[in-house]
Amino acid sequence: KAGVTQTPRYLIKTRGQQVTLSCSPISGHRSVSWYQQTPGQGLQFLFEYFSETQRNKGNFPGRFSGRQFSNSRSEMNVSTLELGDSALYLCASSQDSGGGNSPLHFGNGTRLTVT
Amino acid sequence: AQTVTQSQPEMSVQEAETVTLSCTYDTSESDYYLFWYKQPPSRQMILVIRQEAYKQQNATENRFSVNFQKAAKSFSLKISDSQLGDAAMYFCAYRSPNTGNQFYFGTGTSLTVIP
Repeated sequence: KAGVTQTPRYLIKTRGQQVTLSCSPISGHRSVSWYQQTPGQGLQFLFEYFSETQRNKGNFPGRFSGRQFSNSRSEMNVSTLELGDSALYLCASSQDSGGGNSPLHFGNGTRLTVT
Repeated sequence: AQTVTQSQPEMSVQEAETVTLSCTYDTSESDYYLFWYKQPPSRQMILVIRQEAYKQQNATENRFSVNFQKAAKSFSLKISDSQLGDAAMYFCAYRSPNTGNQFYFGTGTSLTVIP
């Protein structure tokens, strides 16, 4: 089974631009979550989608948005980029609907650099 | 929101020796799940071990084991017979049964294995 696939691996953008990151979950996984990872902050939860519906949202500004398609693939969009948005963005999929002991399965992440 | 604390930003261990990574968490819930993830330089987060709070028995996966102290809200990871491939960032994570697949992560411990 293929793992979680994130594209692109690296992105360099300029302040004020917008960016779209893509994530394909493991086949059969309907839950997709996004996390922002920065040095010293660990992983911060952005949002989770399950069956095309946003189920949970973290404490991030509205510039961060996402969506999930009927095939469970997900995209994350960041508008009006700021220097502080530079981070590793991780996508994770899960087999169950949440609340159990099923782990998150992570992709390799997209490294976003904002200049 | 739940808080996960890893008080050791960096640790080192001699090859073949044993090391313990600390993790504490803050919660008012009685039922939850705890996880340890490993992130090598390749960036992909890999599940190391998981523990259900309702289970008193500590989880074990080969050379990895946990010391789960529910009353103390402590969840430490012990790595026995350390190998060079164990060098990575280790993240402790908490999952509530009530917030879907939203995980709360600590800030990580960077483990160096000395040959």
